[in-house]
Amino acid sequence: KAGVTQTPRYLIKTRGQQVTLSCSPISGHRSVSWYQQTPGQGLQFLFEYFSETQRNKGNFPGRFSGRQFSNSRSEMNVSTLELGDSALYLCASSPGGESYNEQFFGPGTRLTVL
Amino acid sequence: AQSVTQLDSHVSVSEGTPVLLRCNYSSSYSPSLFWYVQHPNKGLQLLLKYTSAATLVKGINGFEAEFKKSETSFHLTKPSAHMSDAAEYFCVVILGGTYKYIFGTGTRLKVLA
Repeated sequence: KAGVTQTPRYLIKTRGQQVTLSCSPISGHRSVSWYQQTPGQGLQFLFEYFSETQRNKGNFPGRFSGRQFSNSRSEMNVSTLELGDSALYLCASSPGGESYNEQFFGPGTRLTVL
Repeated sequence: AQSVTQLDSHVSVSEGTPVLLRCNYSSSYSPSLFWYVQHPNKGLQLLLKYTSAATLVKGINGFEAEFKKSETSFHLTKPSAHMSDAAEYFCVVILGGTYKYIFGTGTRLKVLA
């Protein structure tokens, strides 16, 4: 089975712009979660989608949003970028049936905001 | 509220010696706990998980962890470190009743030749 894929792998944007990141889960997985990883804050949960519905949300401002499509692919959008949004954004998928399911992580998208 | 504390931000061991990475958790429920590893410029990989079955959990690459409820700990161990074990390790608890992973701050393991 192919793993979790994320596109693009690297992205450079300037303050004020918006960005969309994409995540394709493992085939058959219905849950997709997003995380932000920074040296200062570590790994922080952004949100989780299951069957096109947001099931859980972390403590991030409304500039961070996401969605999930019927094929379970997910996108994350960040509007009005700030310098502090520079981070590695990780996507993870799981079958979704039980909360203790292992999550499978993609390689991440490294976003740099100038 | 659920949380995890990784007691050491950096650990250095010599190749062939034991590894101990410490993790304490706080949870109102019977927790689900995981250890993940992240090699440089790579994604996170699951090492092992505890989900209320056996308290001693064996994972990949010779790693294991013991769930101790009385000590609220889930320490990761390996009898003999290998150079390829050099990476960052994360202890994770699932927020009870949700699908939200709570990550520890990570422990960077250095293996000396």
